[in-house]
Amino acid sequence: EMQLVESGGGLVQSGGSLRLSCAASGFTFSAYSMNWVRQAPGKGLEWVSYISSSSRTIYFADSVRGRFTISRDNAKNSLYLQMNSLRDEDTAIYYCATDYRELAIDCWGQGTLVTVSS
Amino acid sequence: EIVLTQSPGTLSLSPGERTTLSCRASQSISSRCLAWYQQKPGQAPRLLIYGASSRATGIPDRFSGSGSGTDFTLTISRLEPEDFAVYYCQHYGYSPPFTFGPGTRVDI
Repeated sequence: EMQLVESGGGLVQSGGSLRLSCAASGFTFSAYSMNWVRQAPGKGLEWVSYISSSSRTIYFADSVRGRFTISRDNAKNSLYLQMNSLRDEDTAIYYCATDYRELAIDCWGQGTLVTVSS
Repeated sequence: EIVLTQSPGTLSLSPGERTTLSCRASQSISSRCLAWYQQKPGQAPRLLIYGASSRATGIPDRFSGSGSGTDFTLTISRLEPEDFAVYYCQHYGYSPPFTFGPGTRVDI
């Protein structure tokens, strides 16, 4: 069974940094492109970033480009999101999720909450 | 950037009813690039439909998707109690950003 477990969320001051991790199990992680998606409290879904299986292709939403970095370690079955210069509007649950054949986002983790306080 | 608009914002329905949710794109997109998700309170989203009309694994056949160009729909043929949730469409694949629509809430 595919499983994704996010960690690293917490309370951080505005302007601070945080690194999220996502541990994958139950599937061949190195074969899958991955995404980060976030959801502010009581709001809708916002796609954040994408990384291909080889890390060769990376995309970001305009709202985070230049502040966030996505990476992966296929040997450790792990995905990461380095978040710098955090703002109040970055407060959200952050989900890691698998790409499905470049058609959709398929398997989702349970999410990790990031709270940015000024 | 593709902007997705969903309508209506909220639907109040009863079990057994049929409903159609709309997703409109700001410009024409490939049907391949349109997906639908369901999200229940306190849970992660679940993929329902990909490629505009293909059901994801394990999704009941009362869920169906259709559309092309700028207009897409998700139809639930007969609402079950577990279908009351928020539904999102997403433009995904080929050209980022992979934007979501604002969602349609289906309430009892």
